[in-house]
Amino acid sequence: DAKTTQPNSMESNEEEPVHLPCNHSTISGTDYIHWYRQLPSQGPEYVIHGLTSNVNNRMASLAIAEDRKSSTLILHRATLRDAAVYYCILRDVSDSWGKFQFGAGTQVVVTP
Amino acid sequence: NAGVTQTPKFRVLKTGQSMTLLCAQDMNHEYMYWYRQDPGMGLRLIHYSVGEGTTAKGEVPDGYNVSRLKKQNFLLGLESAAPSQTSVYFCASSYIRDRVYEQYFGPGTRLTVT
Repeated sequence: DAKTTQPNSMESNEEEPVHLPCNHSTISGTDYIHWYRQLPSQGPEYVIHGLTSNVNNRMASLAIAEDRKSSTLILHRATLRDAAVYYCILRDVSDSWGKFQFGAGTQVVVTP
Repeated sequence: NAGVTQTPKFRVLKTGQSMTLLCAQDMNHEYMYWYRQDPGMGLRLIHYSVGEGTTAKGEVPDGYNVSRLKKQNFLLGLESAAPSQTSVYFCASSYIRDRVYEQYFGPGTRLTVT
C-alpha cells in the first residue's frame, strides 16, 4: 500500500481556517484519498474522500494536487470541537476487502 | 440506529486469562474490522471479515481469534492475555458505494492486562 506523510501536530485559533497537508508521493492511479478524524476518547469518524478532483462537504474541503502526490484537508472555520487527530489514508480501489492502513496522523490543537 | 456498539467498555485482565470482546452493528454492513490502538499511535488492523462466516488476518493477528457467526456481530477473542495486549480496541463496519468504503467505528474497549 502507498504510504502517507503528515505533520505530527498543527495549531490554530478558533474560527480561523486550518490547512492539513498530506504527502503521498507513491500514490497509484487507483488509490482513493480518505480523511478520518478521531476526537478524544472516541473512535475515528469519516471526514471526506476524493480521487482526482477537489471535494467539498459539510465538514471540510479536500484539495488534491494535479499530480496527486499531495493533498490538503481544509477546515474552513476551526471550532474547539475540531480538536482531534486527523488521518490521511490511501486505499487502492482494487482492494476488495476495504482495509485501511492508519498512520500516526496530525494532532490539531484549536485555541480559543 | 445505534450504529456500532462494543461490549465491554473497560476490562482489566490478569496475564493468562481469556476474554471475548463483542462488536455489534445494526446497519446491515457486510464488512467488519477489529483494530487496536496503542498510546500515541494510529490504529492497526487485527482481523477483518467480508461477510457472515468469513474472517481474515490483518496486520497484527497473533494472539487473537475472531468469529462472525451472524452478520451483525463480530467477536474478538484473547485466549491467553499478555501485557503486550494492553490497548484500546476499536471495531468498525463498512459498506461499499461507488467502489468506496466508508468505515463506521465503535466507541472502543479499553483493555488492561496486568
